[in-house]
Amino acid sequence: DVKVTQSSRYLVKRTGEKVFLECVQDMDHENMFWYRQDPGLGLRLIYFSYDVKMKEKGDIPEGYSVSREKKERFSLILESASTNQTSMYLCASSYSYILNTEAFFGQGTRLTVV
Amino acid sequence: DAKTTQPNSMESNEEEPVHLPCNHSTISGTDYIHWYRQLPSQGPEYVIHGLTSNVNNRMASLAIAEDRKSSTLILHRATLRDAAVYYCILRAFINTSGTYKYIFGTGTRLKVLA
Repeated sequence: DVKVTQSSRYLVKRTGEKVFLECVQDMDHENMFWYRQDPGLGLRLIYFSYDVKMKEKGDIPEGYSVSREKKERFSLILESASTNQTSMYLCASSYSYILNTEAFFGQGTRLTVV
Repeated sequence: DAKTTQPNSMESNEEEPVHLPCNHSTISGTDYIHWYRQLPSQGPEYVIHGLTSNVNNRMASLAIAEDRKSSTLILHRATLRDAAVYYCILRAFINTSGTYKYIFGTGTRLKVLA
């Protein structure tokens, strides 16, 4: 079974802190994604990566950065956490070069910035 | 980016069929139509996907309009365990990287009545 694992289910951080959210997948997927989920807004894409060290901005990249040093691991970084970044964060992965393929999601990290 | 539009919520009686509609009038020729569902406190999980033809699997059926501007997810016999948020998603090709990303809408919350 494909597994996408996010390092924390719940996280509480202070305003201004640098926050790292980690995601690991075990299926050798090329693509990895970070979304945030807010009530009434669905899932919005923050960043994605299609290979090691390769990344592209999604729809809402402001205030975030990412790192992909190894194929299985994709990190989301909040450089200076703010209260408006309180949200559910979801990581996903998929194959890149197979047309008929789905994405697999982690359980999510609920981040609260106080 | 193309986008999807779904009703915010729907209700169904247990054991009856459910038709969940989705509009994607700006879909591109290379975009796949995916459906995922999200149970409470979990990440989204794959349900079904298609490109042009109708598709069936053990979970559901997907009916795609001939012009591909809309689709319908069909649950043949809703159970209480099918209560979830259902997302209609476009798996969109990205020219700059030659890969794909998943564009979510806001989803339909399905309530199943016993």
